[in-house]
Amino acid sequence: EAGVTQFPSHSVIEKGQTVTLRCDPISGHDNLYWYRRVMGKEIKFLLHFVKESKQDESGMPNNRFLAERTGGTYSTLKVQPAELEDSGVYFCASSGLGTVEKLFFGSGTQLSVL
Amino acid sequence: TQLLEQSPQFLSIQEGENLTVYCNSSSVFSSLQWYRQEPGEGPVLLVTVVTGGEVKKLKRLTFQFGDARKDSSLHITAAQPGDTGLYLCAGRRTGANNLFFGTGTRLTVIP
Repeated sequence: EAGVTQFPSHSVIEKGQTVTLRCDPISGHDNLYWYRRVMGKEIKFLLHFVKESKQDESGMPNNRFLAERTGGTYSTLKVQPAELEDSGVYFCASSGLGTVEKLFFGSGTQLSVL
Repeated sequence: TQLLEQSPQFLSIQEGENLTVYCNSSSVFSSLQWYRQEPGEGPVLLVTVVTGGEVKKLKRLTFQFGDARKDSSLHITAAQPGDTGLYLCAGRRTGANNLFFGTGTRLTVIP
């Protein structure tokens, strides 16, 4: 069974550009989470989908970040326009509806904004 | 403000030694998890503890949840080079689905 897949693994963009990160959760997992770790800081929660609905987006830093999960399968996280402080590793994680504690993480997308 | 403080931040020990990593908070958590992360990979869940005072063992790893559910510890017996990695604690508050992560403890076990 495939794990959580994230694409791209690395992205280097210039300030002001747009970047879209993609996450494919484990098949059948209704819960999908985005987390982020910026340099020297702890991993922080961004938002949580249950199927296609945003359950909690309290961790989204500002309106330059837009997450979608159309159809309740894969999710995208778009940053537009990107700023220097957006650099970091963006992790996606998924879990089944009744097994919220068993979280599976992807390998992350390393985003560098220059 | 860091919700979950881990100590030590870095730990380098010889193979065969024992070690303990601590995860402390002033907040109460409904559950606490420990993850291990390798370079270039995402965190991998090791254990979940949910009851105050709970102790769980995973081979040479022993995890304990504090009685008040504010802290946890990870003890490794007879560390092996394969134990090298970043250890993260993460807590979940009552009624919430998101995790609060500690800053991590980077463990190096020298052969």
